[in-house]
Amino acid sequence: NAGVTQTPKFRILKIGQSMTLQCTQDMNHNYMYWYRQDPGMGLKLIYYSVGAGITDKGEVPNGYNVSRSTTEDFPLRLELAAPSQTSVYFCASRRTGNGYTFGSGTRLTVV
Amino acid sequence: QQQVKQSPQSLIVQKGGISIINCAYENTAFDYFPWYQQFPGKGPALLIAIRPDVSEKKEGRFTISFNKSAKQFSLHIMDSQPGDSATYFCAATINNAGNMLTFGGGTRLMVKP
Repeated sequence: NAGVTQTPKFRILKIGQSMTLQCTQDMNHNYMYWYRQDPGMGLKLIYYSVGAGITDKGEVPNGYNVSRSTTEDFPLRLELAAPSQTSVYFCASRRTGNGYTFGSGTRLTVV
Repeated sequence: QQQVKQSPQSLIVQKGGISIINCAYENTAFDYFPWYQQFPGKGPALLIAIRPDVSEKKEGRFTISFNKSAKQFSLHIMDSQPGDSATYFCAATINNAGNMLTFGGGTRLMVKP
């Protein structure tokens, strides 16, 4: 039981490049979330999903896209990377109740 | 709009002392208040949580105090240990279908031996 797995752990992108951050959970959780964490700040919600085929925007969705074709996977797509997207990205999942399980994060630098 | 405000941003406590972190929220619809602990290079992990129908919850050395009328809640770490050194986040959520968490800005705690 691996929990929530995020790949890659680190990535450097050039301005204008695109990439996909991968997130997979093996706990059969319906709810999945993407947060970003900036230095000295709390986590801000980018996108979330309440189940396969259903996604919705969070607080800071601009510049990102998501898809949820299966219960297990919730990839986050960055199009036309900008320096403002330099951050640590966390994926999380939840079944019932309110306990989130977070992945270990992806540290992204856009130069 | 920051709906959950957390203080202090950083905290240094001697081993054996009490660490206190405070949070205030604005949205009275929030009905679940978890605290997360994050070690460097790791994702946040749920530490303890409270619902607004109780004023205090204790789990081991960790206690949440909740003041609904003041819209404030706090985390107390008794007998703080160097292993408690981490970043702590308070959060709040409305118990709807999405259960999205709104996080405070975090407190970096250092417990000196």
